[in-house]
Amino acid sequence: EPEVTQTPSHQVTQMGQEVILRCVPISNHLYFYWYRQILGQKVEFLVSFYNNEISEKSEIFDDQFSVERPDGSNFTLKIRSTKLEDSAMYFCASSDESRANYGYTFGSGTRLTVV
Amino acid sequence: SQQGEEDPQALSIQEGENATMNCSYKTSINNLQWYRQNSGRGLVHLILIRSNEREKHSGRLRVTLDTSKKSSSLLITASRAADTASYFCATTSGYSTLTFGKGTMLLVSP
Repeated sequence: EPEVTQTPSHQVTQMGQEVILRCVPISNHLYFYWYRQILGQKVEFLVSFYNNEISEKSEIFDDQFSVERPDGSNFTLKIRSTKLEDSAMYFCASSDESRANYGYTFGSGTRLTVV
Repeated sequence: SQQGEEDPQALSIQEGENATMNCSYKTSINNLQWYRQNSGRGLVHLILIRSNEREKHSGRLRVTLDTSKKSSSLLITASRAADTASYFCATTSGYSTLTFGKGTMLLVSP
């Protein structure tokens, strides 16, 4: 069964450093998403991406965040200057319908720890 | 914004028993979905029910939707220890993306 692949599975970074989280969505999917989950809290929407541009973003997704699809297969989330409160699990997802009529496929996540 | 909110927050049952989790939301929806998350792992899509559907089955899962009460329930029949996980409902509305509730932690003891 097709999978969404995320790397790395765990990243530790110092406060103020830039991190790039990588995702390979399912190949025939057109819609891509990033979510995060702070330990013990709910899964929060960050951003959706379609046709090489952001289609929707939450208030969490401020200027320190950016997304890119650099080569037609990878989908990346960059955090420019990490803060302690950015520590969370970051999930990438993809779907073949923007209204999620068929559900999203999520990756296993990247656990980001900012120290 | 519309959100799914599950109850109970935690549920502990014995293997073989049925588990029922409920979800409430605030605004009109396109569909409601249930996801499962094993500890520290990714989210797995379980089942989707559209706003014009009232009940749906998938294996040991049964989902109901009551749009008049803005609520849904997930029933897992004949539970197994391997069903131990957190279960989240999530909704979509209009063109908005998937919004998750806080989840129910299910513990199934052998």
